[in-house]
Amino acid sequence: EDQVTQSPEALRLQEGESSSLNCSYTVSGLRGLFWYRQDPGKGPEFLFTLYSAGEEKEKERLKATLTKKESFLHITAPKPEDSATYLCAVQAFTGGGNKLTFGTGTQLKVEL
Amino acid sequence: NAGVMQNPRHLVRRRGQEARLRCSPMKGHSHVYWYRQLPEEGLKFMVYLQKENIIDESGMPKERFSAEFPKEGPSILRIQQVVRGDSAAYFCASSPSQGLNSGNTIYFGEGSWLTVV
Repeated sequence: EDQVTQSPEALRLQEGESSSLNCSYTVSGLRGLFWYRQDPGKGPEFLFTLYSAGEEKEKERLKATLTKKESFLHITAPKPEDSATYLCAVQAFTGGGNKLTFGTGTQLKVEL
Repeated sequence: NAGVMQNPRHLVRRRGQEARLRCSPMKGHSHVYWYRQLPEEGLKFMVYLQKENIIDESGMPKERFSAEFPKEGPSILRIQQVVRGDSAAYFCASSPSQGLNSGNTIYFGEGSWLTVV
C-alpha cells in the first residue's frame, strides 16, 4: 500500500527565515510526486510535479526536490502570504491509475 | 479558463436525508476524481471516473455512496441516508487524458462542505 508521511506537522517561521518541509514516501513504482498548497476553506492548489530522483522545480520562493525515498519543499525567505498547509501526494504506476495518495500535510505559519 | 467547478459550496442535511454534490471538470479534462477530507485528517481518495465509466471506486464506502459522470452534464456524488460521520469536505478534481509514462497533474475544485445535523 502506498504511504506518504509529512513532517513536521506544524511549522512556525519568522518572515525571511528559510526552512524545509519533508515528505517521505513508499510507493510501488512512482509515477509522480505532487506538492499542493491548501488555504483554510479552499481546495488544494497545484504547485509542482516531480517525476524522477534528482529532479528539482522552482516557483518564486519555493523549490521542490526529489530522491528515491523523499521529497523536500524548500521555502526561501518566506513571507506571511506563504502561510498555508502544504500537501504532498504520490501517484503510482500500478493499481488505481491516476489516484493520488496524500500525506496529512504541514501547516506553515509565517509571522512578521 | 474556468477551473473545476463544484456546487453547492456548503450543504446542510438532516440525518437520513440525501446529499447530492456536483462537479464540472476543467475544460478539456475527461477524468474526474472525488476525494473526502475529514476534520483533522488528510485527503482520502474515493472514486475515479471517466465519461459513463467508473474506473476505480476502491475508496468508496460500500453502502449509501455512489458516483456518476454521465455523457452530458456534471459528475454527481450522491450520499443516501446521511449520518453525522459523513460531515466532511468533499473535493472534486479533474485531469486531462492519461499520458503513457508521466504523471497527470490533477486540479482540484474549491470543495463542497457537507454538514449533517
